[in-house]
Parts: sequence; C-alpha cells; structure tokens
Amino acid sequence: DIQMTQSPSSLSASVGDRVTITCRASQSISSYLNWYQQKPGKAPKLLIYAASRLERGVPSRFTGSRSGTDFTLTISSLQPEDFATFYCQQSFTTPWTFGQGTKVGIK
Amino acid sequence: EVQLVESGGGLVQPGGSLRLSCAASGFIFSSYWMSWVRQAPGKGPEWVANIKSDESEKYYVDSVKGRFTISRDNAKNSLYLQMNSLRAEDTAVYYCARTTYYYDRSDSYGYGMDVWGQGTTVTVSS
Repeated sequence: DIQMTQSPSSLSASVGDRVTITCRASQSISSYLNWYQQKPGKAPKLLIYAASRLERGVPSRFTGSRSGTDFTLTISSLQPEDFATFYCQQSFTTPWTFGQGTKVGIK
Repeated sequence: EVQLVESGGGLVQPGGSLRLSCAASGFIFSSYWMSWVRQAPGKGPEWVANIKSDESEKYYVDSVKGRFTISRDNAKNSLYLQMNSLRAEDTAVYYCARTTYYYDRSDSYGYGMDVWGQGTTVTVSS
C-alpha cells in the first residue's frame, strides 16, 4: 500500500497567516493527490484534486502544488472558518490511502 | 440539491452483520463511481471500498475483503455496504461519497470524493 505522510501533525496560526502543509507519498503517485478539509462532527470536504486543481466553490486562498512525491497545501491568508483538520489522499491506486491529518488550530 | 443520506448504522455484537444504505439525490447517480469511507473515533478517514457506475468494478481495502460487499441499485439511486463478521475494529462513522473522475480533452486528473453524506455510526461491541 502507498503510505501518505503529512507534516506537521498540528500547528497553531493566526488569522491572516500563511499556512503550509506537506504530504509525502511513499512512491510515485503522479499528480493523483487530493486535499480535504474536515471540521469536527462533519464529513470531509474536497478542496483540491489532481494536486493543484481547485474544486468548484473553494476559495482561491487554497492552493496545491507538487514536487516529485512531495505535495503542499497552502492557505495564503488564514480565515476564521479555515480552522480544521486537513488530509491528503492518493487516488493513484487502490487501496486509496489518506495521510494522518494536520490540525490547524488558533494561536 | 446534491445530497447523500446514509442509514443502517447501529450497535452490533462481534461476528454480527449490518447493511448500510446511502440514498442519492440531485445528480445522475448511475453516471458516477461511489465510495464508502470510514472514520474510527479520533482517527483519520480510511477508504473502505468503491464501485463503478455499472457495478462492473469493485475494490476493497484488504481489512474488509471477504467480509464486506459493496453494491448499488441505480434504479433506486442507492448504494449499499453489506458488512458481515464484524469486528471491534470496524467501529467507525461510515460515509458514502460520490466519486468523480476528473478529466478534460487533454488530460486525466484522477478521482476525487466530491460529495459526502453526513455519516452513519457503526459500533461493534458486546
């Protein structure tokens, strides 16, 4: 199975901060990488697919990028509604696997 | 409105069975792959299974192979997960998710789970 390793596991930030979350795949997954946001008690929400493509309706402050097997989710200016846990997920091959998550908290 | 509504969760003893359902509305159900994803308490999501639009392909995570069966009824706009021989480690919130294949004229971009239900809780305990 492909292992997805996220870092950091948690971070604290202030409104307006630039936030970066990294996800590393254990082998090549091309750009078949998705990012999700999850708030407590809610289902995950797709933010970005194919490493860098913004899902419809998602604010443009969210961006994704890829360098080899390393993927990055960046929030350019953190908003109050962005405090949540973020997960990466590969759809290159089954079993689809998720990273362990990055919790973005309030500083 | 595009919507998925799961049902069928509950408390079951180890070794027991449960059938989850997911009712879809607001989109052409028969055109989409569908997935089940679960999330154990305090843990991250875990993909469980998915099924092609015409049921011709099904895939499972190893831990449920031989115990769980994914199916669908396109005439009823419904997705199912039959869970047998349940174990304590199957305890989780189970979500169904619409699974979209992204592509354009020049490239394909893979699958993303773009619409999710609210989840149904399965607890396996004696």
